[in-house]
Amino acid sequence: KAGVTQTPRYLIKTRGQQVTLSCSPISGHRSVSWYQQTPGQGLQFLFEYFSETQRNKGNFPGRFSGRQFSNSRSEMNVSTLELGDSALYLCASSARGRGSLNYGYTFGSGTRLTVV
Amino acid sequence: AQTVTQSQPEMSVQEAETVTLSCTYDTSESDYYLFWYKQPPSRQMILVIRQEAYKQQNATENRFSVNFQKAAKSFSLKISDSQLGDAAMYFCAYSTYTGTASKLTFGTGTRLQVTL
Repeated sequence: KAGVTQTPRYLIKTRGQQVTLSCSPISGHRSVSWYQQTPGQGLQFLFEYFSETQRNKGNFPGRFSGRQFSNSRSEMNVSTLELGDSALYLCASSARGRGSLNYGYTFGSGTRLTVV
Repeated sequence: AQTVTQSQPEMSVQEAETVTLSCTYDTSESDYYLFWYKQPPSRQMILVIRQEAYKQQNATENRFSVNFQKAAKSFSLKISDSQLGDAAMYFCAYSTYTGTASKLTFGTGTRLQVTL
């Protein structure tokens, strides 16, 4: 099985711009969640999507949004970028249903976003 | 809210020796999942081992095993016969599945160094 694919790997943006990151889950996985990793705050949950619907949301401002398509691919968008948005953004996919967590979450390699 | 605490920011172990990484968590749920993830410099989050809370038996995966103490809310990772490739950040994580949403809550991580 192909793994979780995140694109792009690296991104440099200017303050005030917006950015879109993409995540393709493992085939058959319908749940996609996003995490922000920074040296100061660690790993923080952004949101989870399943069946094209946001199911859960972390404590982030409305500038952070996402969506999921019918093929389970997901995108996250950050508008009006701030310097503090510089981070590694990780996407994770999982099968859905209680027992599926026995298999854990599979992560992509992340997108390193730098805001200058 | 669930919290995960890793009290050891850094650990060091000699090659072929055994090391234990500590993790405690706080939750009011009775059914949940615990994970250890490894993040090498390549930044890919790799699932090391998982444990379902209702299972009394401690999980093992080759050289990796856990000591799960549900009453004490403790979930430590033991790495036996340490290898140079084990050097990485290790994150303890908690997840529960409500039937509608799931997410991972991470600890702050332990950086493991493996020396010759």
